[in-house]
Amino acid sequence: GENVEQHPSTLSVQEGDSAVIKCTYSDSASNYFPWYKQELGKRPQLIIDIRSNVGEKKDQRIAVTLNKTAKHFSLHITETQPEDSAVYFCAASKPGGGNKLTFGTGTQLKVEL
Amino acid sequence: DTAVSQTPKYLVTQMGNDKSIKCEQNLGHDTMYWYKQDSKKFLKIMFSYNNKELIINETVPNRFSPKSPDKAHLNLHINSLELGDSAVYFCASSQAGSSYEQYFGPGTRLTVT
Repeated sequence: GENVEQHPSTLSVQEGDSAVIKCTYSDSASNYFPWYKQELGKRPQLIIDIRSNVGEKKDQRIAVTLNKTAKHFSLHITETQPEDSAVYFCAASKPGGGNKLTFGTGTQLKVEL
Repeated sequence: DTAVSQTPKYLVTQMGNDKSIKCEQNLGHDTMYWYKQDSKKFLKIMFSYNNKELIINETVPNRFSPKSPDKAHLNLHINSLELGDSAVYFCASSQAGSSYEQYFGPGTRLTVT
């Protein structure tokens, strides 16, 4: 089955700096890669996703890149703010899998003032 | 206007008891899921239903039995609770297909003593 690895497990940055979280996946059939943000005590919420027919997608301060050949994808957050502090999860799914999302192990991002 | 709701929010019970968690979505989605998030924040799918039909069952012990009375509801019944069942259980829903956002409920924190 699909295996998604995520690094780093914790990331501390200064406010205004950029943060990068990386994930690798094992199943080359995977074609959908969402990123979820989970604040303390809250539900996971989708912040951005990318499909395998594109290499990059941006939404304001957030961007995701996908390298299908290497089977890895990354989340980039620029100009970080304290409210970006949360746990971020990458995930992958493939067609015919019942929309099963396999999640990475999460990255605790802390943005310090 | 809660999109995905769960009850109860907190559940404290003793080992050996039987308990249920209820989930409802008002998004008109065809697919619903149960996820377990353990103490290390790892998110893992347990079950998925599409139009009341079970499509994913991720080697979950038989003590866990999901039931979907209709497309908008997915309940989780747990028999003979064990200490290791303590976790946060999230319900989610999405459109059918492999590339659609999953909307999570607020979670149910289950503590087994």
